[in-house]
Amino acid sequence: SAVISQKPSRDICQRGTSLTIQCQVDSQVTMMFWYRQQPGQSLTLIATANQGSEATYESGFVIDKFPISRPNLTFSTLTVSNMSPEDSSIYLCSVEGDILIMNTEAFFGQGTRLTVV
Amino acid sequence: GQQVMQIPQYQHVQEGEDFTTYCNSSTTLSNIQWYKQRPGGHPVFLIQLVKSGEVKKQKRLTFQFGEAKKNSSLHITATQTTDVGTYFCAGKAGGTSYGKLTFGQGTILTVHP
Repeated sequence: SAVISQKPSRDICQRGTSLTIQCQVDSQVTMMFWYRQQPGQSLTLIATANQGSEATYESGFVIDKFPISRPNLTFSTLTVSNMSPEDSSIYLCSVEGDILIMNTEAFFGQGTRLTVV
Repeated sequence: GQQVMQIPQYQHVQEGEDFTTYCNSSTTLSNIQWYKQRPGGHPVFLIQLVKSGEVKKQKRLTFQFGEAKKNSSLHITATQTTDVGTYFCAGKAGGTSYGKLTFGQGTILTVHP
């Protein structure tokens, strides 16, 4: 299974500022995903980040608000821009498709608990 | 777009009782996966079902995938306090092995000792 290091684990931010969340994987993976999860709720996919191409955003999420980078097969970042209290949530990085074993199940980072004040 | 509905939202059981959560997709799925999330934790993969009518077992957990590949269930026999958490089903659209998962709403399981 893939080991994912996600940071920061939590942060409290002022409204109007931006936070960049990092996701580092211990193996090369084809697909990386960013999810948002409100406490007690399900996971909502923000975007799919593939190396070498623009991220694909789900309905309701836009690049200007959630810019994503995927510079290589083991790393990605998600930025939450111009934050408002409504952005307070848990953000999760997920990976799938280890290049060596071609798994199809998803592995998740520990999550980033963001509070915007 | 694809929707995955999961019921019940909450389930409280006494230790030793059985537990079942059900998942239904609006479209035919390529595969369905189940995840468990402990309080304060992240989702952890439990199992993947691919074939129509497939049944898989993991100790006290039994997973089923419907014949039409649109519904699934997770059954836990004789629950233990360690089973506490939220159980999510997540489906992949038909025709794809890789790609995004659509998560159900999750079932929050509480086990009373």
